[in-house]
This record gives sequence, C-alpha cells and structure tokens, in this order.
Amino acid sequence: EAQVTQNPRYLITVTGKKLTVTCSQNMNHEYMSWYRQDPGLGLRQIYYSMNVEVTDKGDVPEGYKVSRKEKRNFPLILESPSPNQTSLYFCASRGSTGALWEQYFGPGTRLTVT
Amino acid sequence: KNEVEQSPQNLTAQEGEFITINCSYSVGISALHWLQQHPGGGIVSLFMLSSGKKKHGRLIATINIQEKHSSLHITASHPRDSAVYICAVRGIGNQFYFGTGTSLTVIP
Repeated sequence: EAQVTQNPRYLITVTGKKLTVTCSQNMNHEYMSWYRQDPGLGLRQIYYSMNVEVTDKGDVPEGYKVSRKEKRNFPLILESPSPNQTSLYFCASRGSTGALWEQYFGPGTRLTVT
Repeated sequence: KNEVEQSPQNLTAQEGEFITINCSYSVGISALHWLQQHPGGGIVSLFMLSSGKKKHGRLIATINIQEKHSSLHITASHPRDSAVYICAVRGIGNQFYFGTGTSLTVIP
C-alpha cells in the first residue's frame, strides 16, 4: 500500500530539548516536503527536497533542519524547540513527472512544546 | 502576505445542493492543487490543474490562468463531503502556498 508514515504521531516536550520527527515513503518519490498547520494560518511549507541531498527552504524554515540522505526518508529536526513551534506537522511526497502529480500526506504529528 | 485566498471560509449546505468554493492567487504558478482534509485530520489530494477543467465523480475543478482563479464545484452534495477543502499553488520554484481552507458542512 502506497503510504507516507510519520513518527511519533503525538509528542509533548519541553523548551530546548532536541527532537526529530521521522518521515518515510514507500513510493520511490523524488519530492518530499514538511508542512506545519496552525489555526487561522493554514498549512505552511517548512522545507522541501527534490531528491537525495537536495533540500530547500519553504516559507517558514526558521528553527528547523532537515536532511535527505536516502530517497525514502526525510526527517525533521528541531534542535532547540520553542513554544511557538507547537503545531500539527505533515510530511508529504510526490513524484517528479506530470503523471505522478498526486501529493501523498502522512497522518500528521501533533507537537506540543511547553 | 497571503499568496492564496479562499472563499467562503465556512459553508453550510443542504444535502443535494450544488457547492462552489473559490480560490484566488497572486503568484506565478506551475500548478494548482485542491486538497481535502477530513475531520480526523488526514489530507488527500483531489486534483492538480495547470489549465482548463477536471472532473472526478461529483467533483469538478476549473482554473483560469489569466485571472489567477480556480473553483471547486461539488454537485449533488452529500454529508460525507463534509470536510475542509484547501487550495494550494505550486510556485515556479517548487514551493507550495496554501489557502486557509473552506470548512464545508452538508446537512442531511
């Protein structure tokens, strides 16, 4: 089954404690992306990657890091989380050709930073 | 700055009604996507458009590139269509910008 998985699904942490949210896809997609969703602001892109070792900033990259060492994985790293990073996070992937336009979203990770 | 604007923000309809959700954008795009977010939070892709019109079942999406406007239509709406519908545009550089969504409730 084609899917994007994220872990953990729920996380409560404290300010400053480094954390990683993992994302993995099984569709051999080139393009992967991280988004955060906040009430009233909608979805906003954090980082995206067009292939292994190729990443670029989205709209709100401050406070986040990513890496793409393997095609299937695209972890999101918060080196020093702060309360304003409390949000619902989605990972997504899609292919690079026109026929593979559909963006597949992970189930979301609800992060609370106290 | 809002690169993507959607209207209405909230919409309540009776079962069977024809529904239209509008999306306007201000940036150059390579494609426009319509997404559906279920009450549980899961997001699925409905359409990708770069021109013209697409139809899938009771859903129809149109785009006017010159006017930078897209519409999503639902014919013969059903309670199971209740969800948040999100317009997203893919910029020239592969960045995505999203509208804040339209919350649709269809009453039996």
